[in-house]
Amino acid sequence: GENVEQHPSTLSVQEGDSTVIKCTYSDSASNYFPWYKQELGKRPQLIIDIRSNVGEKKDQRIAVTLNKTAKHFSLHITETQPEDSAVYFCAASRGGGATNKLIFGTGTLLAVQP
Amino acid sequence: GAVVSQHPSWVICKSGTSVKIECRSLDFQATTMFWYRQFPKQSLMLMATSNEGSKATYEQGVEKDKFLINHASLTLSTLTVTSAHPEDSSFYICSARDPDNYNEQFFGPGTRLTVL
Repeated sequence: GENVEQHPSTLSVQEGDSTVIKCTYSDSASNYFPWYKQELGKRPQLIIDIRSNVGEKKDQRIAVTLNKTAKHFSLHITETQPEDSAVYFCAASRGGGATNKLIFGTGTLLAVQP
Repeated sequence: GAVVSQHPSWVICKSGTSVKIECRSLDFQATTMFWYRQFPKQSLMLMATSNEGSKATYEQGVEKDKFLINHASLTLSTLTVTSAHPEDSSFYICSARDPDNYNEQFFGPGTRLTVL
C-alpha cells in the first residue's frame, strides 16, 4: 500500500542554523505534498505545500523541494528560531480531490536550542 | 482560514461505555471529513473517510463496528467509540476538506480519550 518515510525522527539545532527534513513516498500517482507543524497537544497546521507541477516553493524562511523522479521531497528551514520547535509531518496525496486521503510520514521532532 | 472544531476536547470514561466525538466545520461545508488516531510521539493514522450522506470508508484494520462514523450534514461528522477499552485511549483528530480552498485539509483541535 501507500507509504511515506520521513527522516530524521529527531533533530536538534542551534538557533540561526538551517535544517532539512526529508521524505520519500511510494505511490507514483501522488501529486500533492503538504507539510504540517504540530506543537505538543495541538492540531497539525499546514505550513507549506507543493504540487507535482513545480520543483520548488518558498515562503519566507521555509521552502520545499520535490524530485518526482526519485519520489522524494524535502522541507528546508533557514535561520531557525526557538518557536520553530515542534513535530513536523510530511504527507502525500493523489491530489486535492475531496476524497483523496493524506498519507503521513512518521514525523520529525525538531528542537531549536537558543 | 477555515475553522474546524471538535467536542469534547478531552473525555475520561469507564471501560465498556461508549463515547461520541463531534467534528464540525464552522465556516464551510465539507462533503468529506477524515478521522485520525494519534498515539503519543507517533504519526497520524487515518482511521476512516467520512462521506456526507453515505457510509464511511474505513482503512484496513479499523473495525467499523467499533468506531461508528456518521456524517449526517455538510458540517458535522461524529465518531462513536463503542464499548471502549483502555487500549482505545488515544488522541483522536478529525479534519475536513474545504472545497473552496483547493480542498485543503483543516484539522480539528483533537479529543484526548482516556478509558479507565
